[in-house]
Amino acid sequence: QVQLQQSGPGLVKPSQTLSLTCAISGDSVSSNSATWDWIRQSPSRGLEWLGRTYFRSKWYNDYALSVKGRITINPGTSKNQFSLQLNSVTPDDTAVYYCARGAYNSAWYFDYWGQGTLVTVSS
Amino acid sequence: QSVLTQPPSVSAAPGQKVTISCSGSTSNIGNNFVSWYQQLPGTAPKLLIYDNNKRPSGIPDRFSGSKSGTSATLGITGLQAGDEADYYCGTWDSSLSAVFGGGTKLTVL
Repeated sequence: QVQLQQSGPGLVKPSQTLSLTCAISGDSVSSNSATWDWIRQSPSRGLEWLGRTYFRSKWYNDYALSVKGRITINPGTSKNQFSLQLNSVTPDDTAVYYCARGAYNSAWYFDYWGQGTLVTVSS
Repeated sequence: QSVLTQPPSVSAAPGQKVTISCSGSTSNIGNNFVSWYQQLPGTAPKLLIYDNNKRPSGIPDRFSGSKSGTSATLGITGLQAGDEADYYCGTWDSSLSAVFGGGTKLTVL
């Protein structure tokens, strides 16, 4: 059974960097068949996919256009985790952030989710 | 504004059937498979359906999915009080991003 455990601060000041970590158990961040994604949810934006990291002989990242240039998703192989960094945050980045595992059959879908972290951007 | 369009709410009595629609375009649903997620209050979304109509292990066959053209439908039969939740459709679009519907709140009367 895959489990994803999120950690990180719930309050970030405007213009600073949001940082969250997702610890994986029951699978490996270096899996050749999964992706490791970040998704956020807010009343104004609904569910919004932010990006993913995955290993296919080497590491790859895909990012949503809405946050490209501000986002970094990194694997942490020694601790079997992955992280999200979102720079230059504004109050519009206030949301519940989820990590999730991407699985593939005929298309990608998200079969395991973290518990969610409410991140508020406020001074 | 969500890329995929869902009705804000649906309702039905216990034991009845309900359907939830999800409308997209040729840039997303029309050329990809759809997944559905159930979100109970205060919890993370949970996968209900993938590849349009496949159920993960542990999901009862009261839940079903279908797709036609640029629209998809989630069906729930034998409604139970525990089915009260928000339901989201999701797929991928031509910009290589996952996209979701705005969610549908199901009320069991």
